[in-house]
Amino acid sequence: EVQLGESGGALVQPGRSLRLSCAASGFLFEDYAMHWVRQGPGKGLEWVSGLSWNSDSLGYADSVKGRFTVSRDNAKKSLYLQMNSLTTEDTARYYCVKSKEMRSGIAVSGPFDHWGQGTLVTVSS
Amino acid sequence: YVLTQSPSVSVAPGQTASITCGGRHFERNTVHWYQQTPGQAPVLVISYDSDRPSGIPERFSGSNSGNTATLTISRVEAGDEADYFCQVWDSGSDAYVFGTGTKLSV
Repeated sequence: EVQLGESGGALVQPGRSLRLSCAASGFLFEDYAMHWVRQGPGKGLEWVSGLSWNSDSLGYADSVKGRFTVSRDNAKKSLYLQMNSLTTEDTARYYCVKSKEMRSGIAVSGPFDHWGQGTLVTVSS
Repeated sequence: YVLTQSPSVSVAPGQTASITCGGRHFERNTVHWYQQTPGQAPVLVISYDSDRPSGIPERFSGSNSGNTATLTISRVEAGDEADYFCQVWDSGSDAYVFGTGTKLSV
């Protein structure tokens, strides 16, 4: 059974940093692109970032470009999101998401077939 | 790139619900659909315009024509009440884009 467990969410002041982690199990983590998707309170879904299976292909939403960095450790079956210069607009639940297609770049990694339960990030003074 | 969905759709149990998603150059994209019930993570219900993942009831179907993709739910049940989001990859911005979401009330 595919399992994705996010951690690292917290209440943080504007301008500070936070690092999210996602622990994966139940599938060959090293073969799949992974993504972060967030959902602000009462809002819709927003893709934040994606990273291919071999880290050769990655992308960011314009809203986080230059502030957030995605990375992965295939040996540890983990995905990370380093978030710097946080603003109140970054307040959201952050989901770790697995792509359907094996060994693909993020543009062709297909639908998001498994989601974690998310971790809550609140940016407030 | 904006994917436009009607904010809400309301249907009676047993009827058919159609949820639409509009965007530019849709014929160049494949569309995926997600269902999100309150307090839960989204679940993939339709991939590549019309494919139904394992475990998703046959009542769920999808289509994509012109500038509009449609998620159709036949014989709607109370358990189908949820928010539904469409999604595409936008090559113009090199980003995944989600639709604005449709709340289905049963």
